[in-house]
Parts: sequence; structure tokens; C-alpha cells
Amino acid sequence: GDSVTQMEGPVTLSEEAFLTINCTYTATGYPSLFWYVQYPGEGLQLLLKATKADDKGSNKGFEATYRKETTSFHLEKGSVQVSDSAVYFCALKYNTDKLIFGTGTRLQVFP
Amino acid sequence: NAGVTQTPKFQVLKTGQSMTLQCAQDMNHNSMYWYRQDPGMGLRLIYYSASEGTTDKGEVPNGYNVSRLNKREFSLRLESAAPSQTSVYFCASNTGQNTEAFFGQGTRLTVV
Repeated sequence: GDSVTQMEGPVTLSEEAFLTINCTYTATGYPSLFWYVQYPGEGLQLLLKATKADDKGSNKGFEATYRKETTSFHLEKGSVQVSDSAVYFCALKYNTDKLIFGTGTRLQVFP
Repeated sequence: NAGVTQTPKFQVLKTGQSMTLQCAQDMNHNSMYWYRQDPGMGLRLIYYSASEGTTDKGEVPNGYNVSRLNKREFSLRLESAAPSQTSVYFCASNTGQNTEAFFGQGTRLTVV
């Protein structure tokens, strides 16, 4: 079945470091891909999305490119801030079908 | 802007008790979802409803039932709670297409 695999955390970085969180997926078709972020004590919020191959989603300095050839959607940010500390979830969805999440990656940024 | 509202926020149950988690959205969304979040397991889909009147099983449906009462409301019922159902439960909704899903604040359930 369809699934999403994320790198295990926590990822620990100093402020202004470069961030990569890996995400790969298994899918029978061509889903849309998403990154969601969860701050402590809250529900998930959409960070960015891409709906077809080679699309790049971006928001708040974060970017991810939909790579069909490697079935990947890695999240990157050039310079992280303490306020980026959160749990990040990669997800996939087909049109009206279910929304499937990865296990989440905790990011901790220290000053 | 209410968005997705879940009740209750916290609940403690004894093993064998039953309860219903309520979820309502005011965005006229077609699709609604129930997830559970456990440490190291991410979000696992329990049930979802692609439209009013339809429900489908997700990854971990055993021990749960759902009702899509109308377009706004999607409830999750535990008929006989077990300690393995201790978790944080999230309800979510979206238009049904490849658009943003909106999440409630979660219900922290403890079964003792």
C-alpha cells in the first residue's frame, strides 16, 4: 500500500544551520505531497505542498521539490531559527482519498 | 474562525468504558478524518469520510466506530476502551481535493 518514510529524529541544529529532513514515499499513482508542522501542544498546520512532479513547494524559507524519479520530497531550509523547533510530518494524498502521514521528525534548534 | 473543533480536550476512562469524541468543522469541507498520534508512530489514520454519508477504514480501525452525522460533524466512538487506546486523537477536514487539511487541537485520552 501507499506509505511515507521519514528520517528518524530528533534533528538537533544550531541557529542559522542548514536543515534537511528526508522523506520518501511509496505510491501506486501520482499523489500530491505535503509537509505539515506541529508546534508543542497544537494540531498540525500545512507548511507547503506540491501537486505534481518537479513542482517546488515553499513557505517561510522552507522548500521541498517533488522528485518522481527518486520518489522523494525532502524538506530544506537554508538557515534555521529557534522558532522552527517543532515536529515535521511528510504526507501524501490522492484527490478524494485518504491523507497518509509519515512518522514525523522532531527538530530542535539551539541558540 | 472556529475551523475544526474537537471535544473534549482531555479524558480519562476506565478499561471497558465507552465514549464518543466529537468533531465539527465550519468550512463546508467534504472530507473528514480521525487520526491517533503515538510517540514514535506519527499520525495513523483510524477512519475517514470522503463525503457525507460515507466512511472508510484507515490503517488502525479496530476498536473504533465512526459516524458522519452530517456534513459538519464526524464522531469517533470507543465502545469498550482499552489501555492500548491511550493516545492523542486528532480530527481533520479538507475540501476533498489535494488542498490543505485543517486539524483540531486534539483530544488527549488516557485509559486506565
